Amino acid sequence: SAVISQKPSRDICQRGTSLTIQCQVDSQVTMMFWYRQQPGQSLTLIATANQGSEATYESGFVIDKFPISRPNLTFSTLTVSNMSPEDSSIYLCSVGREGMGTQYFGPGTRLLVL
Amino acid sequence: GQQLNQSPQSMFIQEGEDVSMNCTSSSIFNTWLWYKQDPGEGPVLLIALYKAGELTSNGRLTAQFGITRKDSFLNISASIPSDVGIYFCAGGTGTASKLTFGTGTRLQVTL
Repeated sequence: SAVISQKPSRDICQRGTSLTIQCQVDSQVTMMFWYRQQPGQSLTLIATANQGSEATYESGFVIDKFPISRPNLTFSTLTVSNMSPEDSSIYLCSVGREGMGTQYFGPGTRLLVL
Repeated sequence: GQQLNQSPQSMFIQEGEDVSMNCTSSSIFNTWLWYKQDPGEGPVLLIALYKAGELTSNGRLTAQFGITRKDSFLNISASIPSDVGIYFCAGGTGTASKLTFGTGTRLQVTL
């Protein structure tokens, strides 16, 4: 499995500001995904990060709120824009290879919005 | 979005006991995965299942892909304290697989 790192590991932010989370993989992967895990809850897919094109968002998530970049096969960013306390969650990136059903997760970014 | 139903929601067991948990869906999945999440960590993949009826083991863990493709179960034998955590099932469709996660089972082990 790939080694996945995320930065920052945690942050405390003021409402109305934005935070960009980075996800770095130690090898090229075809598929990268971003998930949100609200306190005490399960994981919900935000979007699939597509290399060289716009991300594919799930129902309930929009590009203006969660812009995503994926400039190459080893790196992606997720921005949480105009934050409110309801955005306090763990944000996780995951990677997979096309043709394989498995995904491997990064350690997560713990965000608290005051 | 859809979530898969996991049961039990939580369980307290004694060290050495066997554990069984399951995951059910109203939809068919082509892949079933089981993850464990420790506090402050991302989920770690335990077992992957790719075929209906498949039974797969990983050490003390055994998981099965239900023949209807709408359910899966995970068994842990002879539990130990480090088994404590939250276990999530996840269903995947297609090879480029987005995953749908279960609601989670919180396992606590007493000595």
